[in-house]
Amino acid sequence: GENVEQHPSTLSVQEGDSAVIKCTYSDSASNYFPWYKQELGKRPQLIIDIRSNVGEKKDQRIAVTLNKTAKHFSLHITETQPEDSAVYFCAASSFGGNQFYFGTGTSLTVIP
Amino acid sequence: NAGVMQNPRHLVRRRGQEARLRCSPMKGHSHVYWYRQLPEEGLKFMVYLQKENIIDESGMPKERFSAEFPKEGPSILRIQQVVRGDSAAYFCASSRQASNYGYTFGSGTRLTVV
Repeated sequence: GENVEQHPSTLSVQEGDSAVIKCTYSDSASNYFPWYKQELGKRPQLIIDIRSNVGEKKDQRIAVTLNKTAKHFSLHITETQPEDSAVYFCAASSFGGNQFYFGTGTSLTVIP
Repeated sequence: NAGVMQNPRHLVRRRGQEARLRCSPMKGHSHVYWYRQLPEEGLKFMVYLQKENIIDESGMPKERFSAEFPKEGPSILRIQQVVRGDSAAYFCASSRQASNYGYTFGSGTRLTVV
């Protein structure tokens, strides 16, 4: 099955700086990669996603890049704000698959 | 649309008791997915159901755990004879059809076994 690894497990940045979270996957059949943000005690919320036919996708301060050859994808948050503090999870799935494989999460702290 | 509804939000059970977790999918959705999140870990897939059918239960523990999604009513995740290791947050998600998009999770049920 698929194996998704995520780094770093914790990340602290100053407000206004950028944050980068990286994930690797093992199954070349995976072709869909969502990112979720989870605040303490709350549900994971989809913040951005990317398909394997695209190398990069951007939504305001958030961007995701995908390198299919190397089997890794990254989340980039620019101009970080305190409300960006949360745990971020990457995930991978294959078309027609029934499940998502999640990384172990990155706890991001934005220091005011 | 109220979204995916889960109840209860918090559930405390003593070891050996049964836990029943409910998930009402979004209106018009007939596919339900259950995930478990252990403390400080990512979400792990448990089971995928359509109305009255279990499609994929590859993530379900072999014993004590069962799931159903009846023709009427919510999907139920049932854990018999709970143990401390069952303490976790259980999330469900739903989709209109078999989905390859990031689905919306419910608010979860946090099970504590004492």
